[in-house]
Amino acid sequence: DTGVSQDPRHKITKRGQNVTFRCDPISEHNRLYWYRQTLGQGPEFLTYFQNEAQLEKSRLLSDRFSAERPKGSFSTLEIQRTEQGDSAMYLCASSPNRGGGLTFGSGTRLTVV
Amino acid sequence: DAKTTQPNSMESNEEEPVHLPCNHSTISGTDYIHWYRQLPSQGPEYVIHGLTSNVNNRMASLAIAEDRKSSTLILHRATLRDAAVYYCILNTMIRGQGGKLIFGQGTELSVKP
Repeated sequence: DTGVSQDPRHKITKRGQNVTFRCDPISEHNRLYWYRQTLGQGPEFLTYFQNEAQLEKSRLLSDRFSAERPKGSFSTLEIQRTEQGDSAMYLCASSPNRGGGLTFGSGTRLTVV
Repeated sequence: DAKTTQPNSMESNEEEPVHLPCNHSTISGTDYIHWYRQLPSQGPEYVIHGLTSNVNNRMASLAIAEDRKSSTLILHRATLRDAAVYYCILNTMIRGQGGKLIFGQGTELSVKP
């Protein structure tokens, strides 16, 4: 297992465009998390899934953001009508169902110009 | 979510021990103390966690105060590769809750050769 994979590593998009990021968690991990991190700040929780069920969404996740995890495997995070304030590192993490630490991917860095 | 307080930054010399403090005076009985670190341009990485007793692993040691209101992450011999932001996080282990981590600002550790 190669850990948590995120694709793409970098994305530059024009304001107003839609973008989609993909996360492939560690295969036996039931839980999957999305975080956002801006420069100089700690990661901010966005949402998490247990299998295919989205169990919690942060108030940070505006209606322009949507996350899915069909079949409880990989997950996608879509941002519609991107704004410059969406520029950040988007991190995905996964964990086993019962305890244990989170394993993070290397993130997708989004730049909105 | 229970809050933690850490110094913004610390300096260490290479091959010397480092003690990174964390205060968590509002910790509840079901909160585990987790430590993660984030190297530049990478996602956070799990370091160690504990509940009441001191813990050791290959990366670090975790010393937990008897009243659990504070803890210290100990790196026994700092190397240049330990330069990172270290996050102290409380995570409830109540069944059906927790799992997600709420990051603060962390402590930026610099290691001098």
